[in-house]
Amino acid sequence: GDSVTQMEGPVTLSEEAFLTINCTYTATGYPSLFWYVQYPGEGLQLLLKATKADDKGSNKGFEATYRKETTSFHLEKGSVQVSDSAVYFCALRRWQAGTALIFGKGTTLSVSS
Amino acid sequence: NAGVTQTPKFQVLKTGQSMTLQCAQDMNHEYMSWYRQDPGMGLRLIHYSVGAGITDQGEVPNGYNVSRSTTEDFPLRLLSAAPSQTSVYFCASRNRTLTYEQYFGPGTRLTVT
Repeated sequence: GDSVTQMEGPVTLSEEAFLTINCTYTATGYPSLFWYVQYPGEGLQLLLKATKADDKGSNKGFEATYRKETTSFHLEKGSVQVSDSAVYFCALRRWQAGTALIFGKGTTLSVSS
Repeated sequence: NAGVTQTPKFQVLKTGQSMTLQCAQDMNHEYMSWYRQDPGMGLRLIHYSVGAGITDQGEVPNGYNVSRSTTEDFPLRLLSAAPSQTSVYFCASRNRTLTYEQYFGPGTRLTVT
């Protein structure tokens, strides 16, 4: 079945460091791909999305490119801030109507000043 | 718009008790879902609905019931609570279009003793 695999955390970085969180997926058809962020004590918020191959999603300095050939959607940010500390979830939605999201297990990011 | 609202925010139950987690959205979204979030497991889909009167099972439906009598409301019922149902529960909704953002509620933290 469809699935999402994220790199294990926690990821600990200093402020202004470069961030990569790896995400690969298994799915039939042409899924849409998403990154969600969960700040402490809150629900999930959409960070960025991509709906077809080679699309690049971007928001708040974060970027991810939909790579169909490697079935990947890695999240990157050039310079992280303390306020980026959160749990990041990669997710996919299959192309069929009515389907909910399939999530990876989440990666905890901790940024120190 | 209030978005997606969930009540209660916290709940403690004894084994065998029943209760209903409430979820409501005011965005006229067709699709609504319930997820549970457990440490190291990410979010797993419990039940979902593609419209009023239509529901279907997700990945982990056992022990839970849902109904969708209106577009706005999607309650989740625990029939006989078990310690394995201790978790954080998130309700989410989205519009019909496949690429649209899924909006999450703030979550209900449930402890079963």
